[in-house]
Amino acid sequence: QSVLTQPPSASGAPGQRVTISCSGSTSNIGSNIVSWYQQFPGRAPKLLMYSDNYRPSGVPDRFSGSKSGTSASLAISGLQSEDEAEYYCAAWDDSLNGWAFGGGTELTVL
Amino acid sequence: QLQLQESGPGLVKPSETLSLTCTVSGGPISDISYNWVWIRQPPGKGLEWIGTISYNGNTYYNPSLKSRVTISVDTSKNQVSLRLSSVTAADTAVYSCARHPVLRYLGGFDPWGQGTLVTVSS
Repeated sequence: QSVLTQPPSASGAPGQRVTISCSGSTSNIGSNIVSWYQQFPGRAPKLLMYSDNYRPSGVPDRFSGSKSGTSASLAISGLQSEDEAEYYCAAWDDSLNGWAFGGGTELTVL
Repeated sequence: QLQLQESGPGLVKPSETLSLTCTVSGGPISDISYNWVWIRQPPGKGLEWIGTISYNGNTYYNPSLKSRVTISVDTSKNQVSLRLSSVTAADTAVYSCARHPVLRYLGGFDPWGQGTLVTVSS
């Protein structure tokens, strides 16, 4: 059971906008920043978003992050087939005194 | 460009100790701006934080693993090591090392090593 809750799956057609949610609590998302990771099968995760809504160099601006209260979201606009991957959220948890991850969301591009 | 590479046995017997090394190239492991993290991912499952070590050796462990985990650094070899004792089949996972800024708002887990699969089986 992951500390952060994500929907197990999401989908969208090419060109559409899809949102992946990440729900937590006051000890993690509610008081700390969120990062997002993209993982392709058999590959290491890649940093997609940090500090809630900052993109590392090289990440397309089709990807955006937001946070409100104890929930965060990753939005992907102009969906492309290459976006089909697993997406994870992460945040520091003050109660755990460590990092908490979401269970991952498998994104399918229809 | 900073690169991380995990190494160690791919098969460990139940009740024995899992030992892995993460070799860092392209930058000093003693950089005070960063912490080093071990994360694992059981087959078909999500990510789990194992623990963190700072440049000066301070460690933070996942409470669920704390009694069995030891993370250390060897600055002379630019390596971070992980030891997990008394392993069971539930410890079978891909084990990865990653770097994270000490000031958490400055970044995330980046880069990651490619990960190494450790199977616990007799």
